[in-house]
Amino acid sequence: DIQMTQSPSTLSASVGDRVTITCRASQSISSWLAWYQQKPGKAPKLLIYKASSLESGVPSRFSGSGSGTEFTLTISSLQPDDFATYYCQQYNSYSQITFGGGTKVEI
Amino acid sequence: QVQLVQSGSEVKKPGASVKVSCKASGYTFTASYIHWVRQAPGQGLEWMGRINPNTGATNYAQNFQGRVTMTRDTSITTAYMELRSLTSDDTALYYCAREDYCIDPWGQGTLVTVSS
Repeated sequence: DIQMTQSPSTLSASVGDRVTITCRASQSISSWLAWYQQKPGKAPKLLIYKASSLESGVPSRFSGSGSGTEFTLTISSLQPDDFATYYCQQYNSYSQITFGGGTKVEI
Repeated sequence: QVQLVQSGSEVKKPGASVKVSCKASGYTFTASYIHWVRQAPGQGLEWMGRINPNTGATNYAQNFQGRVTMTRDTSITTAYMELRSLTSDDTALYYCAREDYCIDPWGQGTLVTVSS
């Protein structure tokens, strides 16, 4: 199985900050990586797919980059609604999907 | 719009089984895989497996092989996930999600609590 290592696990930031979250795959996954935002008690919300494609309706302050084994999610200017937990997910093979451990963005 | 609506919360005793349903609407049910993901309290997301609603073919995560069964009923556009031999470690929110260009959207989640 492909392992996904996400860092940091917790991130303290302020409104207006630029925030970067990293995800590393244990082997190359090309660009088959998605990023989700999750708030307590809610289902994950898709932000980015195929490493850098912004999902419709997601604010442009969110961006993704990377390919192969190293990926980043960047929030250019953190807003109050962005305090949440973020997960990366590899889908190099849809028959064996794996998630990163999550990054909690807190004040 | 595409929507997945899951069945309600369940409370089960250790050793029992649970069957969670996921009713799909807004698209052709047989055209997209359905995935199941769970999340224990305060923990991350864990992929359990997926089912092809057209053929019934399944792929299960190694951690759940032999203990999970995913099925579907195309006549009512509903997918099911059954988990057997429950322990307290299976207490979690269980989600279904549609596979399209990505895994999205997700159902609202079903809380399964395992307690004696």
